[in-house]
Amino acid sequence: GNSVTQMEGPVTLSEEAFLTINCTYTATGYPSLFWYVQYPGEGLQLLLKATKADDKGSNKGFEATYRKETTSFHLEKGSVQVSDSAVYFCALSDPGNSGGSNYKLTFGKGTLLTVNP
Amino acid sequence: NAGVTQTPKFQVLKTGQSMTLQCAQDMNHEYMSWYRQDPGMGLRLIHYSVGAGITDQGEVPNGYNVSRSTTEDFPLRLLSAAPSQTSVYFCASRGTSVYNEQFFGPGTRLTVL
Repeated sequence: GNSVTQMEGPVTLSEEAFLTINCTYTATGYPSLFWYVQYPGEGLQLLLKATKADDKGSNKGFEATYRKETTSFHLEKGSVQVSDSAVYFCALSDPGNSGGSNYKLTFGKGTLLTVNP
Repeated sequence: NAGVTQTPKFQVLKTGQSMTLQCAQDMNHEYMSWYRQDPGMGLRLIHYSVGAGITDQGEVPNGYNVSRSTTEDFPLRLLSAAPSQTSVYFCASRGTSVYNEQFFGPGTRLTVL
């Protein structure tokens, strides 16, 4: 079956530090990959996505590259801010053998990031 | 567009009580789902629907019922609340393509005493 493995948190950084949150996946087909962010007290919202190998998703200074050879989609940001403190979820959508009609997303367990001033 | 809306935001129940968590979306999405979020467990899929009249079980369906009579609405029913159902519940909707993002509601924080 499909699965997503994220680095366990919590991650605590100082402002302007470099961020990497590792994400690897297992899928039967050719999945689309997503990073979602959850700010305190809110629902999840899409941060970025990539739909095929070697695509790079980017948004708000965050980037992630879809690496098929290593089945990875690591999230990076060059200089984090206090406002980036949140929980980050890696997720995949895999059409598998269902002709593209597999609607379900598979999520990692989430990584809590705290950025201190 | 309001996106995905959920009511109530907070709810406290006593063991054995029943209630319905409401979810609605105005994006004409076929796919809707319910998750629960617990510390250290991430998001776990409870039930999902791929269209009006079609529902299926997710990873943790026991103790919950759903129905989908319209495209817009996807209520989640707790039949007899238990303390183990204390959690934050999120409803989400999505278009039919595997490339589409999933939109989440703001969540309902449920406490069962």
